[in-house]
Amino acid sequence: QKEVEQNSGPLSVPEGAIASLNCTYSDRGSQSFFWYRQYSGKSPELIMFIYSNGDKEDGRFTAQLNKASQYVSLLIRDSQPSDSATYLCAVIAGGSNYKLTFGKGTLLTVNP
Amino acid sequence: EAQVTQNPRYLITVTGKKLTVTCSQNMNHEYMSWYRQDPGLGLRQIYYSMNVEVTDKGDVPEGYKVSRKEKRNFPLILESPSPNQTSLYFCASSSGGRNYTFGSGTRLTVV
Repeated sequence: QKEVEQNSGPLSVPEGAIASLNCTYSDRGSQSFFWYRQYSGKSPELIMFIYSNGDKEDGRFTAQLNKASQYVSLLIRDSQPSDSATYLCAVIAGGSNYKLTFGKGTLLTVNP
Repeated sequence: EAQVTQNPRYLITVTGKKLTVTCSQNMNHEYMSWYRQDPGLGLRQIYYSMNVEVTDKGDVPEGYKVSRKEKRNFPLILESPSPNQTSLYFCASSSGGRNYTFGSGTRLTVV
């Protein structure tokens, strides 16, 4: 069973701080990595995707991928109360027919 | 507007009464998938389809059926629902393993 692990949290940060969310995966052949944001009772919303080692930045969000360590992270700069949600890490493993395997998510709370 | 549409949004049913949750996408995506989400267990894949008439089991297929007769539609069928199928269900579609788009979800309660 190919696994994706996340710290369930909750992670609490003050408004304006950097929130750091982490994810590890078990399949070394994994190809594609995604971060989704999910508000309670709502559908997952794609924030970032990353395919290559290194950093990828989009506005206040930065995804970091280290395939050697099988580790992917999401940094949220200048955190806002509206960022309070569950963040889901998802991975497409090698040869997986496009199957997205999700971690269980990290609950982030940004305090005003 | 590009979207995945699921119906119904909410459903309460009784044990053993067959039901179908519909899913339709307007993006011409070849790949479609069903997930269920339960507290503490995260999102788990039920079934997926790589294209018309091509379906396969995900991680938790027991008690479910699917069909893919048209590219845009991928219904989820529960022939004899049981209380352990009470969950939040999501349909998703994708083109080539990128740009996954999720439906709004169906909250199913089986009593």
